[in-house]
Amino acid sequence: DAGITQSPRYKITETGRQVTLMCHQTWSHSYMFWYRQDLGHGLRLIYYSAAADITDKGEVPDGYVVSRSKTENFPLTLESATRSQTSVYFCASSEPPGLAGGTRGEQYFGPGTRLTVT
Amino acid sequence: AQSVAQPEDQVNVAEGNPLTVKCTYSVSGNPYLFWYVQYPNRGLQFLLKYITGDNLVKGSYGFEAEFNKSQTSFHLKKPSALVSDSALYFCAVRESGLTGGGNKLTFGTGTQLKVEL
Repeated sequence: DAGITQSPRYKITETGRQVTLMCHQTWSHSYMFWYRQDLGHGLRLIYYSAAADITDKGEVPDGYVVSRSKTENFPLTLESATRSQTSVYFCASSEPPGLAGGTRGEQYFGPGTRLTVT
Repeated sequence: AQSVAQPEDQVNVAEGNPLTVKCTYSVSGNPYLFWYVQYPNRGLQFLLKYITGDNLVKGSYGFEAEFNKSQTSFHLKKPSALVSDSALYFCAVRESGLTGGGNKLTFGTGTQLKVEL
């Protein structure tokens, strides 16, 4: 039972480079999320997806691009990395909240990718 | 807009003593509330949630949380702390009435729990 995996776990890249962080889940959850974790800010939502081919911006989307051609994959691309994007990135997935919010909705997190932009 | 506040950056407690990690929230409707724990170099793990019903929610590893609507609080508690409970704890909220683009959680900034012998 692999659950939710992220790759790479660690990445060092240079300013201006494009980098893609991968996220894969085996639960067939319809919802997937990308967060960044920074000291003093907790977790902030970058993008989320309610289903394949449906994505939407979160709190801090600038400088990031996502796609979701398959339910199980949700890659995050930094088109031109900046030092301010140095962070730990977490992918998460969940079942849909359902009508009127539903009774489920807890999100399950991957192990994270530590990205350093030099 | 929904928000969460965790007023303490760090909580220190002796092993065997009770612990409380505080969380207050703000939503325009009824809240769904969650606690997560993060161990070093790991992702967040779900501990417990409040959806509706009993104000005292029991979760994993002996943790529980008390929902207080009048004080808009959802404090995490454990009767007897263990050294192994030392970790970073996050409170999260979402509005219960959301559909469609819902299920977006708003997280607090986290509270570092340190349990000492």
